[in-house]
Amino acid sequence: DTEVTQTPKHLVMGMTNKKSLKCEQHMGHRAMYWYKQKAKKPPELMFVYSYEKLSINESVPSRFSPECPNSSLLNLHLHALQPEDSALYLCASSQESLTSGTSYEQYFGPGTRLTVT
Amino acid sequence: GENVEQHPSTLSVQEGDSAVIKCTYSDSASNYFPWYKQELGKGPQLIIDIRSNVGEKKDQRIAVTLNKTAKHFSLHITETQPEDSAVYFCAAFANTGTASKLTFGTGTRLQVTL
Repeated sequence: DTEVTQTPKHLVMGMTNKKSLKCEQHMGHRAMYWYKQKAKKPPELMFVYSYEKLSINESVPSRFSPECPNSSLLNLHLHALQPEDSALYLCASSQESLTSGTSYEQYFGPGTRLTVT
Repeated sequence: GENVEQHPSTLSVQEGDSAVIKCTYSDSASNYFPWYKQELGKGPQLIIDIRSNVGEKKDQRIAVTLNKTAKHFSLHITETQPEDSAVYFCAAFANTGTASKLTFGTGTRLQVTL
């Protein structure tokens, strides 16, 4: 089973709202990722959690706040977003090793289509 | 950092023909190269990958080749079918020292016509 689930599938929010995106995997993976994908573009990495600790933040604005409550769950808290933040937000997971240079397959969820009005 | 270029951006083939998508990467330390297929409204799906200690890998109608010297890798789809129509992304793994990080190509929209 290589399933990553994401909720909600669609989200419309105003610029003053606070909302959260959720991601879950039960593959025992210890690395989880948030990506942002605009139309006709590749996914852009936002955050990486490794063993439930934030290991990469790709200079993402503070209106995006990630959280990893446990090894299976990943949240992305949204606050005061701008219309240009409208995009498909993808979660992914992979095995992780503390040995540098090791690479593992990343599996993506279906994404949350976010529209900021 | 790593830079991945992908060509062509669009590709139209007739059903039953072969399709080839090519990617080049810049970081000679990259050692893992996955390919993803993304259908409309869905997340990217891993379809095949190759590691730097292997030159070619095949899975039914899909194959990937890697030339480390030239720093390029390619996806080959034989006997294309309409359900192969999608956007395909190549990627290269860049070692950050703490977590795996993929750099994606710009994508190829493949259309298989009847």
